[in-house]
Amino acid sequence: NAGVTQTPKFRVLKTGQSMTLLCAQDMNHEYMYWYRQDPGMGLRLIHYSVGEGTTAKGEVPDGYNVSRLKKQNFLLGLESAAPSQTSVYFCASSYPTPSTGGSFNEQFFGPGTRLTVL
Amino acid sequence: RKEVEQDPGPFNVPEGATVAFNCTYSNSASQSFFWYRQDCRKEPKLLMSVYSSGNEDGRFTAQLNRASQYISLLIRDSKLSDSATYLCVVNPFSTNAGKSTFGDGTTLTVKP
Repeated sequence: NAGVTQTPKFRVLKTGQSMTLLCAQDMNHEYMYWYRQDPGMGLRLIHYSVGEGTTAKGEVPDGYNVSRLKKQNFLLGLESAAPSQTSVYFCASSYPTPSTGGSFNEQFFGPGTRLTVL
Repeated sequence: RKEVEQDPGPFNVPEGATVAFNCTYSNSASQSFFWYRQDCRKEPKLLMSVYSSGNEDGRFTAQLNRASQYISLLIRDSKLSDSATYLCVVNPFSTNAGKSTFGDGTTLTVKP
């Protein structure tokens, strides 16, 4: 199993350019997430999905769009990149929490995409 | 005030030392708690969940104090390989996928 993979690993964009980050998982997880991490800070949730065909906004959704057409893939799009979007982007996936009281929902992360917007 | 707060450190300790980190959270409805480890320029990985009764995994002990709204991580007999950033994660509801809140992390450096 590859777990969670992200494409590309690195990218440099100019202001105003667009790009799509791809996240794929082979664990049959229902939930998928996109985070950004800026230097010295924790992860902030951009968008997430609780199943194929559904997406929802997280803490910092502005300037990003997402799609989940297939269960195993979660795409993050930047329509018009800005320098403020320079960051490391992590994708994660998890399984639904058991309804019988367990609250364990470990998130499995991809290796990250380092994006620089000039 | 941030929902989840951690002392950023850095904590610089010698090998063999015992070190403890705290993480405070503001939402009293929080239900599940975790510690993740993140190595430099790598992705976070789950270190351990934090249960109400406390739990231990080898040299690592996690505890939850609901009354004071904090969780702690204790590392005994520190190894060089423990050097990393430790992130605490708090979820308000066990079934709410989109509400995990990460702390900014505490950096630990273990020196020979």
